[in-house]
Amino acid sequence: KNEVEQSPQNLTAQEGEFITINCSYSVGISALHWLQQHPGGGIVSLFMLSSGKKKHGRLIATINIQEKHSSLHITASHPRDSAVYICAVRVEAGGTSYGKLTFGQGTILTVHP
Amino acid sequence: DTGVSQDPRHKITKRGQNVTFRCDPISEHNRLYWYRQTLGQGPEFLTYFQNEAQLEKSRLLSDRFSAERPKGSFSTLEIQRTEQGDSAMYLCASSPGRETSPLHFGNGTRLTVT
Repeated sequence: KNEVEQSPQNLTAQEGEFITINCSYSVGISALHWLQQHPGGGIVSLFMLSSGKKKHGRLIATINIQEKHSSLHITASHPRDSAVYICAVRVEAGGTSYGKLTFGQGTILTVHP
Repeated sequence: DTGVSQDPRHKITKRGQNVTFRCDPISEHNRLYWYRQTLGQGPEFLTYFQNEAQLEKSRLLSDRFSAERPKGSFSTLEIQRTEQGDSAMYLCASSPGRETSPLHFGNGTRLTVT
């Protein structure tokens, strides 16, 4: 079993729909990242959070440390949101994690006009 | 743009050849990471440098793989005697070293071994 699991693996939506991507992890973490990857490989950091909720534009990320679960929401989705969304955790390791990330397998989002 | 730069963007090589990739991190970042990503999967950790010191290597990094960061600035990842299973996207990331800092990724080097 992977330490970081995402669901769904594939998600198709119509423009304007509210989208939720889920991430569950099984290890102790110091932070959780949501990342966006477009075709061609480039990865962009969307959020880094260790508690609560963060919002940036139409994107909202939440985390529940006790339940080891995080969600990424996209409101009023748009075709330009089509990308792979990846959850990654910074694993605690004896107090020195080096910032190394463990990644989920990603969620492929396609938003149709 | 002074983001993380990787070179080359694409590399096609024949099985058995050696290849070397370069990563130039953001200049003030002392942490540098290499990850490997295969199709349909999330990136997997390969190795980590703090300044010039290689502090951690994944079990995924076989003896054919070696990474250096000689002056604590740019880094190279070399794969010797490439195999078809080495075909992947090799991603470099850097950060300034504070635990609260996000990682900044390069666009990756896509390796195809024929």
